[in-house]
Amino acid sequence: DADVTQTPRNRITKTGKRIMLECSQTKGHDRMYWYRQDPGLGLRLIYYSFDVKDINKGEISDGYSVSRQAQAKFSLSLESAIPNQTALYFCATSDRRHMNTGELFFGEGSRLTVL
Amino acid sequence: KQEVTQIPAALSVPEGENLVLNCSFTDSAIYNLQWFRQDPGKGLTSLLLIQSSQREQTSGRLNASLDKSSGRSTLYIAASQPGDSATYLCAVVSGSARQLTFGSGTQLTVLP
Repeated sequence: DADVTQTPRNRITKTGKRIMLECSQTKGHDRMYWYRQDPGLGLRLIYYSFDVKDINKGEISDGYSVSRQAQAKFSLSLESAIPNQTALYFCATSDRRHMNTGELFFGEGSRLTVL
Repeated sequence: KQEVTQIPAALSVPEGENLVLNCSFTDSAIYNLQWFRQDPGKGLTSLLLIQSSQREQTSGRLNASLDKSSGRSTLYIAASQPGDSATYLCAVVSGSARQLTFGSGTQLTVLP
């Protein structure tokens, strides 16, 4: 079983719909992240959370919200999806005990298409 | 704001060749640099991590170097194989929040 699990893996939706992407991890890490990947743009940070009560905006948070329901769960929501949010979304985790290394562990991605 | 650039965007080589992928970053005040591999439809797998105090790291046929002062890193792949075909991304950890900034990747194709 994967240490970082994302659901759904693929989703097609329509403009204006509310979408939630979920991430759960079994690594026991305290830090969790959501990135989006677009062709030619690499990965860009949307939101990150250093513990259950700590939520921080990343580089491109507009149009997104997150919820850290538990240490192991971090959800990304699009309240009203728009076509330019079509992308591959990744969840990642890291351990504050390895803060200086910044090593991240990634899920396999959630491909979202907004029509 | 940290920016990471990878050149070339795509590379195609015959099997057996040695090759070098390049990564540059604008702010040299980094904590570390990582190289990742991404296969189509898959997540990212960490290949090598170089701390800011280190010059290079090696794992099997892979060797990554870091020149922090010039803002450059290279990933050297020896004796390339078709199974090495993937997108390779570099990323640096920098800033007070120790955020990871990614390059856009180099798509490598190794031809049999």
